[in-house]
Amino acid sequence: AQRVTQPEKLLSVFKGAPVELKCNYSYSGSPELFWYVQYSRQRLQLLLRHISRESIKGFTADLNKGETSFHLKKPFAQEEDSAMYYCALRPGNTGKLIFGQGTTLQVKP
Amino acid sequence: EAGVAQSPRYKIIEKRQSVAFWCNPISGHATLYWYQQILGQGPKLLIQFQNNGVVDDSQLPKDRFSAERLKGVDSTLKIQPAKLEDSAVYLCASSATDGSSYEQYFGPGTRLTVT
Repeated sequence: AQRVTQPEKLLSVFKGAPVELKCNYSYSGSPELFWYVQYSRQRLQLLLRHISRESIKGFTADLNKGETSFHLKKPFAQEEDSAMYYCALRPGNTGKLIFGQGTTLQVKP
Repeated sequence: EAGVAQSPRYKIIEKRQSVAFWCNPISGHATLYWYQQILGQGPKLLIQFQNNGVVDDSQLPKDRFSAERLKGVDSTLKIQPAKLEDSAVYLCASSATDGSSYEQYFGPGTRLTVT
């Protein structure tokens, strides 16, 4: 079965604290994984993808095939990081995305 | 570039009524997606078009949902008749399929409430 699981509905941290948003996936093939973000009153948008191995807005995510995880990390959270974060899997060579349930990140001042 | 456009933004209907949503993708994007996002869940793909052909509609409830993409540009998604469980945000997304990028660009969504 193709599935993405984000175990936390809400993650609340203080500004400056480290952040880790968890994502686990189930897929038998070679996965392509993404993190999408939705800020308040804005559209869902791509944050980063695992094949780019890039850091966007201080966020990084490493694909761990052994643990089937793709956790999103940031060493020092900022208030502007408060948003809904979705982990997504793209199976095979299709274009479609399979999304997790989403995690709301709340960064308190 | 202009983003994905959707209308209406909000719609309230009674169960058993019909409703239609419209999407205009980013110019030049060959692939168009419709997702359903129920409150508290992530988006779920309903249908994917490549130009005006259907690539994947395996999760579209075909007894009540239909979608078309005439001329490979704009698309409409229809529900007839609506049920209470159809209350959700309907997201349209588009992507350019040039073989190197499957980044999907999302529209603002249409929030449907079925009473």
